[in-house]
Amino acid sequence: DSGVTQTPKHLITATGQRVTLRCSPRSGDLSVYWYQQSLDQGLQFLIQYYNGEERAKGNILERFSAQQFPDLHSELNLSSLELGDSALYFCASSVNQLTDTQYFGPGTRLTVL
Amino acid sequence: GESVGLHLPTLSVQEGDNSIINCAYSNSASDYFIWYKQESGKGPQFIIDIRSNMDKRQGQRVTVLLNKTVKHLSLQIAATQPGDSAVYFCAEKKAGRRALTFGSGTRLQVQP
Repeated sequence: DSGVTQTPKHLITATGQRVTLRCSPRSGDLSVYWYQQSLDQGLQFLIQYYNGEERAKGNILERFSAQQFPDLHSELNLSSLELGDSALYFCASSVNQLTDTQYFGPGTRLTVL
Repeated sequence: GESVGLHLPTLSVQEGDNSIINCAYSNSASDYFIWYKQESGKGPQFIIDIRSNMDKRQGQRVTVLLNKTVKHLSLQIAATQPGDSAVYFCAEKKAGRRALTFGSGTRLQVQP
């Protein structure tokens, strides 16, 4: 157990809908990262937050957004969902911006029908 | 709950043998490398990491070797056990950036 928690574990929804994925980092970790894992793209970095502020963006679609709250939990919002958004979404956390080791949560499996 | 299931290279070893999983990385400016293990239905689990100023680092039953000349990373698992069966990913971090760039993964199958 990495100490990173994610909810829900599974999510099934329809095209065009909007969902919110939640992540709680390890106790004491200030930095949160979101990754998408799909069959054809592998693990892809989406976005990073540090202590509430966005710090880095990767291959994140405009339909997706994220935020980190004062209690350091983070949410990833996916809107106007398409079939191709079906994937595993992982959250990872690290202690601070200078620490490179990222610890991953168990993921949320999103299925868009 | 498979991680990445399509076209993964597979390494099959006998229980008790040593395993070597290889990874070629892309960017000579990468300064940090990390290996993760991902079991079916679970998130990537940290195994071991190494910085670019090192050539070798050892953990419990695992060793990571870094060859910067040919941009190659390897993970050695000693006395492989059935519980080691999983997909193994290498990842690199480019200097000055925060995100990890993952390789495509290798599936390790341990035969009893």
